Amino acid sequence: AQSVTQLGSHVSVSEGALVLLRCNYSSSVPPYLFWYVQYPNQGLQLLLKYTTGATLVKGINGFEAEFKKSETSFHLTKPSAHMSDAAEYFCAVIHGSGNTGKLIFGQGTTLQVKP
Amino acid sequence: EAQVTQNPRYLITVTGKKLTVTCSQNMNHEYMSWYRQDPGLGLRQIYYSMNVEVTDKGDVPEGYKVSRKEKRNFPLILESPSPNQTSLYFCASRRTGAGTNEKLFFGSGTQLSVL
Repeated sequence: AQSVTQLGSHVSVSEGALVLLRCNYSSSVPPYLFWYVQYPNQGLQLLLKYTTGATLVKGINGFEAEFKKSETSFHLTKPSAHMSDAAEYFCAVIHGSGNTGKLIFGQGTTLQVKP
Repeated sequence: EAQVTQNPRYLITVTGKKLTVTCSQNMNHEYMSWYRQDPGLGLRQIYYSMNVEVTDKGDVPEGYKVSRKEKRNFPLILESPSPNQTSLYFCASRRTGAGTNEKLFFGSGTQLSVL
């Protein structure tokens, strides 16, 4: 069965520093992978997704993630953190196929950005 | 504006008092789903619906009911709430035509406290 593990429930960086949020997945089939962001008091928004093709995926707000099959990873990065990036981030994988597949979410990582 | 609307945003109730959380989307999406979010557990799916009159259990359906009489609405019903259902709830929707890698649109959430 598909699953995701996010390493680190809290990550703290200084403004302008590199952001790295880690996600490892388990899947018996080629995975569809997602990163969602949740800003305070809001629902989740899609940051980026990987389905097929190019393994480096660019998303909104300067974020990108690289699918590495050999490492079963899909880490999220941003070269320079901004205060507005403070939020909770969820990695997710599709479980199942066809239209009935559902998202399996990781536990979430809270990103704190210090001035 | 494309959106998923949940009501209420906050709800405090007592054990055993039936309640309904409403969810409505204006994007003509076939697929709708309910999740609960708990610290350290990420989001877990409660129920989902592929279309009108078609609903199915997710990972944590016990103590919940849903209905899908109209395409736009997908209410979550707690017939006899218990304290372990205290959680943050999200409704989400997406298209189904292109498969499971379609983006999920989330509501802003309902914080439920059962005393």
